Amino acid sequence: DTGVSQDPRHKITKRGQNVTFRCDPISEHNRLYWYRQTLGQGPEFLTYFQNEAQLEKSRLLSDRFSAERPKGSFSTLEIQRTEQGDSAMYLCASSFWGQGTGELFFGEGSRLTVL
Amino acid sequence: AQSVTQLGSHVSVSEGALVLLRCNYSSSVPPYLFWYVQYPNQGLQLLLKYTTGATLVKGINGFEAEFKKSETSFHLTKPSAHMSDAAEYFCAVSDNQGGKLIFGQGTELSVKP
Repeated sequence: DTGVSQDPRHKITKRGQNVTFRCDPISEHNRLYWYRQTLGQGPEFLTYFQNEAQLEKSRLLSDRFSAERPKGSFSTLEIQRTEQGDSAMYLCASSFWGQGTGELFFGEGSRLTVL
Repeated sequence: AQSVTQLGSHVSVSEGALVLLRCNYSSSVPPYLFWYVQYPNQGLQLLLKYTTGATLVKGINGFEAEFKKSETSFHLTKPSAHMSDAAEYFCAVSDNQGGKLIFGQGTELSVKP
């Protein structure tokens, strides 16, 4: 069990560029979550998938944000036309819905800095 | 809608002293409650959780929390702080197991020698 992995860990980009983050969940987990965390704040829910279906999106997820989980395994979060306000840590978590402890396991996050 | 309030964004204790981090929640359904810890530049690690059953929950590293429905609280305690406990602590609520978590704003714990 390698845990939840996220890539890249750090990304610095210029305003207006597109960025993509990848998350590989724990292999048997059927749910995958994306959160955003800014300095001094708790993680804020963005969206989640059950298998390949995106079941909920937060109002925080503007039209510039898109998330996919095409085969129900890894997921990508793309931000188009980045703005300085997008600078944050993007956290991915996975869980097994329906059995087990129900705990969400978090990756170490992808830190985005928009210049 | 569910929400979490953590009282005190910064708590400082001396090594060996009692740690008390406060968490109050709001939920229209029986809540599932969690405490996570985050060390600098790392992800979140589960300390403990309450789902059903015993209201006093024991977690890792000597932490425990008590679910008090009448007070809508889930405060985190540890009898004796250690330097390695210095970190950010987050309380979270969910309406089911394995479901979306709603987090509080976090409490930064400092431990003085």
